[in-house]
Amino acid sequence: GQQVMQIPQYQHVQEGEDFTTYCNSSTTLSNIQWYKQRPGGHPVFLIQLVKSGEVKKQKRLTFQFGEAKKNSSLHITATQTTDVGTYFCAGREYNFNKFYFGSGTKLNVKP
Amino acid sequence: GAGVSQTPSNKVTEKGKYVELRCDPISGHTALYWYRQSLGQGPEFLIYFQGTGAADDSGLPNDRFFAVRPEGSVSTLKIQRTERGDSAVYLCASSLSGRVTGELFFGEGSRLTVL
Repeated sequence: GQQVMQIPQYQHVQEGEDFTTYCNSSTTLSNIQWYKQRPGGHPVFLIQLVKSGEVKKQKRLTFQFGEAKKNSSLHITATQTTDVGTYFCAGREYNFNKFYFGSGTKLNVKP
Repeated sequence: GAGVSQTPSNKVTEKGKYVELRCDPISGHTALYWYRQSLGQGPEFLIYFQGTGAADDSGLPNDRFFAVRPEGSVSTLKIQRTERGDSAVYLCASSLSGRVTGELFFGEGSRLTVL
């Protein structure tokens, strides 16, 4: 079955430093979504990528979908303490409606 | 309500007992998902409903787990003969249309602890 791997598992940065998390799927994806989960909270949708090679930006966040649609990344420029949380990717295969979540990258930002 | 509502928020039960977890999705959302999240892990897919029918139940770990959505709105996840390994946060999510694969709106979750 499909597997979605995410690295790194943890990332500790100083406020103002950049952060990147990577997501790799064992199969080609139809689309991929990214979610953020604050400590004690539930996953909250950030963005969806559909097209091969797609790049989307949300303020300091940049999302990329690989050309082969098997990998994706989330990059945060100049982290802030409000960025603290766990970031998950969730991939969907063609002809299926379920999303497989990665194991997440837990980001800690030191002020 | 404005968001996905899950009850109870916390449930402590003894090994072998029966448990029901309820999810009330956002009004008008036809797609409903159940996920299970253990500490430090990503949400694990359990079952997906499109309307009243279970379109994909391939994630249910065994036949102790069952879910229904009789009127295409509220869903109940039922766990029989609970085991300690069932302890986790059970997350429900709804979406405007599963086929269009819109964003998933998650509830706050039901934390199940099996003693």
